[in-house]
Amino acid sequence: EVQLVESGGGLVQPGRSLRLSCTASGFTFGDYAMSWVRQAPGKGLEWVGFIRSKAYGGTTEYAASVKGRFTISRDDSKSIAYLQMNSLKTEDTAVYYCTRGQGGGYFDYWGQGTLVTVSS
Amino acid sequence: SYVLTQPPSVSVAPGKTARITCGGNNIGSKSVHWYQQKPGQAPVLVIYYDSDRPSGIPERFSGSNSGNTATLTISRVEAGDEADYYCQVWDSSSDQHAVFGGGTQLTVL
Repeated sequence: EVQLVESGGGLVQPGRSLRLSCTASGFTFGDYAMSWVRQAPGKGLEWVGFIRSKAYGGTTEYAASVKGRFTISRDDSKSIAYLQMNSLKTEDTAVYYCTRGQGGGYFDYWGQGTLVTVSS
Repeated sequence: SYVLTQPPSVSVAPGKTARITCGGNNIGSKSVHWYQQKPGQAPVLVIYYDSDRPSGIPERFSGSNSGNTATLTISRVEAGDEADYYCQVWDSSSDQHAVFGGGTQLTVL
């Protein structure tokens, strides 16, 4: 059974940093791209970024709203994807979901999400 | 960047058919995916590649895509289908690679 479990969320002050983790199980983690998607309270879904599998270079892409502040990485030996968030802003407050990506550009499995609250 | 437009809400009586639209410029040339999100839960993929259903998704859920509109159709609607529905496309030519529609709240009357 495919499982994605996010951790690391919490309350953080504006300008500070936070790192989220996504621990995967039930599939060969290294074979898949992994994406992060967020949802602000009461709002819709917003794609944050993704990391390709090593077979496709392990490179990353980001939404314009987080580019230069957020970094996605992966440790295939541990089946974990990370989202390093720096220079956090109040508008980054959201539930952050880890998702498994498919080649057609869709997300077939989602974690339960972790809440990040940016507030002073 | 590419924009997807969904109606904010759709209402339907139990047993009837619900149609949720997703508009975009020449969306028929793209692959459209749909997600269902119930309150307090993570989204669930219900349709991918316009009309394919993941295992475990009832046949009552179907999709189509042509021209400037993609449509998610839910037949014989049940109370348990009440949720928010999001369409999504992948646009590798833009900075926002994955684009979501604003979501449609389906209410079962």
